[in-house]
Amino acid sequence: DAKTTQPNSMESNEEEPVHLPCNHSTISGTDYIHWYRQLPSQGPEYVIHGLTSNVNNRMASLAIAEDRKSSTLILHRATLRDAAVYYCILRLPYNSGGSNYKLTFGKGTLLTVNP
Amino acid sequence: DTGVSQNPRHKITKRGQNVTFRCDPISEHNRLYWYRQTLGQGPEFLTYFQNEAQLEKSRLLSDRFSAERPKGSFSTLEIQRTEQGDSAMYLCASSPPIRERGQLQFFGPGTRLTVL
Repeated sequence: DAKTTQPNSMESNEEEPVHLPCNHSTISGTDYIHWYRQLPSQGPEYVIHGLTSNVNNRMASLAIAEDRKSSTLILHRATLRDAAVYYCILRLPYNSGGSNYKLTFGKGTLLTVNP
Repeated sequence: DTGVSQNPRHKITKRGQNVTFRCDPISEHNRLYWYRQTLGQGPEFLTYFQNEAQLEKSRLLSDRFSAERPKGSFSTLEIQRTEQGDSAMYLCASSPPIRERGQLQFFGPGTRLTVL
């Protein structure tokens, strides 16, 4: 899997937007960009994923650079419950063959949300 | 959906003992994964099942580790002759067969193993 680079930690204030960056300069044309997060003492949970276009769901938005070498996870209004480690992961489509079924996690970004 | 469940949630054992963990995936999810996570690190892939077939094992999975999914439903992960280095969180995840949703993995809460 192509590698991603994320800041070790970020801090935000409650009810403010948070922009979590991810660099993936070696991304291939078929890599999907996935974001998972892990709340304290819990397993990771899926947040959002995309290929080329920006994506929105009830949890967050994903902004993908035009050259796809970077992306940004946007939490529109951070809450205390958003404090977690956020992982940016590149994946080939499941049916493209090879070892693309597993997730390869880095260390992620630890987001602290201040009240 | 009822989520992925794992039992026990915590296990403390003495070095040299055998331990077994159980994972119950979300109903009708045909793919099941085991990961291991040590403090301060992201989860690391251990092994993967599609139905009852174990299709991939990481080099992290030494001969002391064995995983099964006998009927393509629940899975067990056994560690024989535990070592202190086995202390970690063991996470299970499952994925449905549907093409798009199949891209996603749904994780359980994990089993925290402490080897004394």
